[in-house]
Amino acid sequence: QQPVQSPQAVILREGEDAVINCSSSKALYSVHWYRQKHGEAPVFLMILLKGGEQKGHEKISASFNEKKQQSSLYLTASQLSYSGTYFCGTAAYNFNKFYFGSGTKLNVKP
Amino acid sequence: DAGVIQSPRHEVTEMGQEVTLRCKPISGHNSLFWYRQTMMRGLELLIYFNNNVPIDDSGMPEDRFSAKMPNASFSTLKIQPSEPRDSAVYFCASTVGSAGNEQFFGPGTRLTVL
Repeated sequence: QQPVQSPQAVILREGEDAVINCSSSKALYSVHWYRQKHGEAPVFLMILLKGGEQKGHEKISASFNEKKQQSSLYLTASQLSYSGTYFCGTAAYNFNKFYFGSGTKLNVKP
Repeated sequence: DAGVIQSPRHEVTEMGQEVTLRCKPISGHNSLFWYRQTMMRGLELLIYFNNNVPIDDSGMPEDRFSAKMPNASFSTLKIQPSEPRDSAVYFCASTVGSAGNEQFFGPGTRLTVL
């Protein structure tokens, strides 16, 4: 029931783009994206809701394909501050269960 | 505004001892989550409270773990007896409404069981 994230790790140069994917075997009603820097707590980035409503953060965008039960996070023109581990989180239809993916470690180099 | 408050920030104890972790959610938030994070297992949801009632405790590892939320502003996670494999960072998070909403995380408690 834990969503599957890919890739597990990404190394970028500043200014390059990246896509992180999240997929679930269960029907999704909302997908969350969080970023965690080393030694810190996860911080909310974005939530995507079934039906198309989306809340965003900074210069990062995301998509939610309800039929395929997948979400993708798009980081364009990456900055050094984007480095960290990105987690997707998924909520089931009654919002009584919530699962985080295994994370994608992003390293942006100068 | 104060965020989610957790205490202690670091805890070192010996195997067999009782450990109590504490969390104060953001005022006005009615859902609270306890997570455990390790390198091997990632970020796991242990228990989720809504309006002080446990909604999902399927992530609680075993009977050694228990969690309570006696009121809207306080929750505890207790491990008794503790074991070395319980060593992890424990996060508390809160939100308004259900698990489908943005979660605000506390700074975490780093637990080391020797």
